[in-house]
Amino acid sequence: QQPVQSPQAVILREGEDAVINCSSSKALYSVHWYRQKHGEAPVFLMILLKGGEQKGHEKISASFNEKKQQSSLYLTASQLSYSGTYFCGTEVTTSGTYKYIFGTGTRLKVLA
Amino acid sequence: DTEVTQTPKHLVMGMTNKKSLKCEQHMGHRAMYWYKQKAKKPPELMFVYSYEKLSINESVPSRFSPECPNSSLLNLHLHALQPEDSALYLCASRAGFYNEQFFGPGTRLTVL
Repeated sequence: QQPVQSPQAVILREGEDAVINCSSSKALYSVHWYRQKHGEAPVFLMILLKGGEQKGHEKISASFNEKKQQSSLYLTASQLSYSGTYFCGTEVTTSGTYKYIFGTGTRLKVLA
Repeated sequence: DTEVTQTPKHLVMGMTNKKSLKCEQHMGHRAMYWYKQKAKKPPELMFVYSYEKLSINESVPSRFSPECPNSSLLNLHLHALQPEDSALYLCASRAGFYNEQFFGPGTRLTVL
């Protein structure tokens, strides 16, 4: 049930671009993206909703393909501060109850 | 105020101790969550409170006992824990189904 993210890890130089993918075996109603730095709490980046609505707080972009049950996060012109672990998250239903589940995670390291 | 606070930041306890973790938010969010996170893994849902009622319990052992005294507070009572319960415990709150979660800084728990 847990969404699978790819790649598992990526190393970039400052200014390079990266794409992080999140793939689910279950229907996705919305996808959330978070970044977590080592020893800190996850911080919200973006929500993508079924129907195309998108809410975010930073200069990043993402896509949501409901048919393919996939989402991708696009990081352009990466900065050192982008380093961390990125998680997608979504609601899944189990016996009629919605519960929140995070993806497997992608570790991103940006080098100077 | 968009902050979720958690106390204590660090906790070391023996297997026979009883301790409590505390989480507080003043954003008026009616959904509050407890997660457990092991190193290099995504946060794993433990409990969800919705309008101060326990709505999800992810088959968590009874040595973890959640409590929601009011709409701003969430406690996690710990008793007779095992060394494998050592982890980062995160609290989060959320306004609604399509909204982001706000995370507290977490409590780093070590069980000896």
